[in-house]
Amino acid sequence: QVQLVESGGGVVQPGRSLRLSCVASGFTFNTHGMHWVRQAPGKGLEWVAAISYDGSDKYCADSVKDRFSISRDNSKNTLYLQMNGLRAEDTALYYCAKDRSTPAIESWGQGTLVTVSS
Amino acid sequence: QSALTQPASVSGSPGQSITISCTGTSSDIGGYNYVSWYQQHPGQAPKLMIYDVSNRPSGVPERFSASKSGNTASLTISGLQAEDEADYYCSSYTSSNTRIFGGGTKLTVL
Repeated sequence: QVQLVESGGGVVQPGRSLRLSCVASGFTFNTHGMHWVRQAPGKGLEWVAAISYDGSDKYCADSVKDRFSISRDNSKNTLYLQMNGLRAEDTALYYCAKDRSTPAIESWGQGTLVTVSS
Repeated sequence: QSALTQPASVSGSPGQSITISCTGTSSDIGGYNYVSWYQQHPGQAPKLMIYDVSNRPSGVPERFSASKSGNTASLTISGLQAEDEADYYCSSYTSSNTRIFGGGTKLTVL
């Protein structure tokens, strides 16, 4: 079955950087678009970024544009999120997620928690 | 881009039906048949319940149905059960090739 395992979260000071990783298994990774979605404590879901199956197309939410970048290594079945210039409002549980063949997120990891605090 | 608009909360008794609305714009819900719905229980990851406006993934009970009219999508749960108590989120593909979520609706089964 599909497994998405995120890592790389932690406590970081404002302005610093962090890189999240997501190792995928149970499906053909290089044929599916992937996403990062975050959820601040007690709040709703917020879409963060997406990448096409081959990494040629990337999209980011306005709230993180110019600070976050999404990438993937299909040889390692791994998705990444590079987060620079972190702010307190970036504090959230970050989910790695897999797209269906049509634009719908169909599988989610358990998330990795990022806390931005001095 | 602002989140899709959902009611903050809805409630119903076991066996009853409830409907959750999700309003967007012609750049998202109204422009594409790519609306999806997610169920999230406390402390758990979201679960896909509906995709492409009205399709149920394997394993999702037939009690869950959905539709779309113009810029508004709706999720209906019939024959409410205690286990349906959760947060529900709608989501849509957008004209910018991004995704957008609703603010979430807390369903309480009385």
